[in-house]
Amino acid sequence: KQEVTQIPAALSVPEGENLVLNCSFTDSAIYNLQWFRQDPGKGLTSLLLIQSSQREQTSGRLNASLDKSSGRSTLYIAASQPGDSATYLCAVFTVPQIGGGGADGLTFGKGTHLIIQP
Amino acid sequence: DAGVIQSPRHEVTEMGQEVTLRCKPISGHDYLFWYRQTMMRGLELLIYFNNNVPIDDSGMPEDRFSAKMPNASFSTLKIQPSEPRDSAVYFCASKGVPGLAGVEQFFGPGTRLTVL
Repeated sequence: KQEVTQIPAALSVPEGENLVLNCSFTDSAIYNLQWFRQDPGKGLTSLLLIQSSQREQTSGRLNASLDKSSGRSTLYIAASQPGDSATYLCAVFTVPQIGGGGADGLTFGKGTHLIIQP
Repeated sequence: DAGVIQSPRHEVTEMGQEVTLRCKPISGHDYLFWYRQTMMRGLELLIYFNNNVPIDDSGMPEDRFSAKMPNASFSTLKIQPSEPRDSAVYFCASKGVPGLAGVEQFFGPGTRLTVL
């Protein structure tokens, strides 16, 4: 069964710093990996999706990398701003096992709660 | 497009009552997912549909939970009878073709359920 772990669980840094959020997964047979942002009391906003054949994706100040063989992904946030404060979730879409078992939805980590201090 | 629409946004009910959560996926999307988020367990997949057909309900916790998708633009998640441990935020998400693997899932705002 796929398991996703995110480290650290919480992070508080001053504005302007570059930071890295980590995600690891146990089953490397994935279709893709998706990073989401969740604001308090809100739904999930998709930030980046990396296909299993890709190594990284970039959007503005965000860069996500994927090392499928080692089961790791990182989300790099450059020049952090107070508006970046949120919970960041990593999720993988695992290849279904032959013979069944395991749903075809996303498996989520528990997130990194990020606070950017002004 | 308005995105994935969920109703109600908040629901407070008493133990034993029936609860129905509703979802309207993004038009044209062929896959619909129901997730539940709690502090203890994070986000978990409950069930998903493809072309209105339930494909995998292995995440549904108990027989008290049921989900339907009578047409391409509407799905319900029902809990009967509800219990305090069902209190959580329930998210609906949808994704479209081509290819199950290569497309992002888009999430609704969620329904925050409190069972007293």
